[in-house]
Amino acid sequence: GAGVSQSPSNKVTEKGKDVELRCDPISGHTALYWYRQRLGQGLEFLIYFQGNSAPDKSGLPSDRFSAERTGESVSTLTIQRTQQEDSAVYLCASSLVAGLTYEQYFGPGTRLTVT
Amino acid sequence: KNEVEQSPQNLTAQEGEFITINCSYSVGISALHWLQQHPGGGIVSLFMLSSGKKKHGRLIATINIQEKHSSLHITASHPRDSAVYICAVANFGNEKLTFGTGTRLTIIP
Repeated sequence: GAGVSQSPSNKVTEKGKDVELRCDPISGHTALYWYRQRLGQGLEFLIYFQGNSAPDKSGLPSDRFSAERTGESVSTLTIQRTQQEDSAVYLCASSLVAGLTYEQYFGPGTRLTVT
Repeated sequence: KNEVEQSPQNLTAQEGEFITINCSYSVGISALHWLQQHPGGGIVSLFMLSSGKKKHGRLIATINIQEKHSSLHITASHPRDSAVYICAVANFGNEKLTFGTGTRLTIIP
């Protein structure tokens, strides 16, 4: 009965390095969302996946950000050439189906610090 | 783009008080969510509304579609209710949520 899990829980990296953040959604959930929360700011949508459809990448802040999802399971958010402004908590959520009338279940987040 | 505003930004109250947090948005929506973020950062979905009112335990959420406004109420507040409460909306035909900046609630014993 696991919920959404994310790894690592914390990541400290040097400016310019690449990082990969992982999300394991709830089994059977076809929709998966990535959000970002910078310190003192609200949540920002980054990207969402629905089944085998092309993902909606419209929230990604730059071409240094990319995400993949393997079928309807694990997703990886990759940030290349990290910058200090990338420091944030990255949250993943999943829902049974994409569609905002379906409840989203959030993971615990990955806190990324770029030094 | 939908603009989402929450008020108040910060709220401190005594245990037992009735709490109201407000959310206003600028463009018609398909759904509105209330989320709770605890000090450790974990987020829990409290309610999802498209009309009317929902109740869960001591929590009540209402939405007025015509006025583009929603309220979250907490009855008989308790220190464990201390958290950031976030309102989020979705526009019609759009799967993306737009979030308010949150209301930080502190309940004093």
